[in-house]
Amino acid sequence: QKEVEQNSGPLSVPEGAIASLNCTYSDRGSQSFFWYRQYSGKSPELIMFIYSNGDKEDGRFTAQLNKASQYVSLLIRDSQPSDSATYLCAVKGGGSYIPTFGRGTSLIVHP
Amino acid sequence: EPEVTQTPSHQVTQMGQEVILRCVPISNHLYFYWYRQILGQKVEFLVSFYNNEISEKSEIFDDQFSVERPDGSNFTLKIRSTKLEDSAMYFCASSRTSSEQYFGPGTRLTVT
Repeated sequence: QKEVEQNSGPLSVPEGAIASLNCTYSDRGSQSFFWYRQYSGKSPELIMFIYSNGDKEDGRFTAQLNKASQYVSLLIRDSQPSDSATYLCAVKGGGSYIPTFGRGTSLIVHP
Repeated sequence: EPEVTQTPSHQVTQMGQEVILRCVPISNHLYFYWYRQILGQKVEFLVSFYNNEISEKSEIFDDQFSVERPDGSNFTLKIRSTKLEDSAMYFCASSRTSSEQYFGPGTRLTVT
């Protein structure tokens, strides 16, 4: 059974701070890693994906992958109240199209 | 920017009735998926579809579920005899390769 674990939160940060969201996974063969943002009552929105160890930056977002330790993280710099949402980590193993989703971490950015 | 679209946005049905949920994937995408999310729970995979056939399906996707791509643009999920526990958000997603998936806005299914 492939597991993807996230702290449910809520993680509360002040506006302008860095929010750090973490995700661990059980399948060592995992190849692809995705971060989705989900506002309440809305669908998941893909914001980042990463396939190789190290960091990947896109605007205010940085995804960090450490395959040896089996974790992937998402950093949000200069957090805004509009970033308040649930962030879903999804992990895809080799040989399957299908990612396994974590339960998500609720982020609250307060002014 | 192209988007996945889904209709209806909300469907209310009585237990035992059949429902069809519709999706229009992004036009140059080749892989199509259905997921569901029960309120407060995580996103669960139902089925994937590629090259006009089911490529993977989960344990949830039993005989009461079916998918179809009736023409070049629509992708449908049929639930033959709905149960109360089928109440959930149903999301369609598509991807150009077998990688990054883009979700539609969802259909909220309420079974009474």
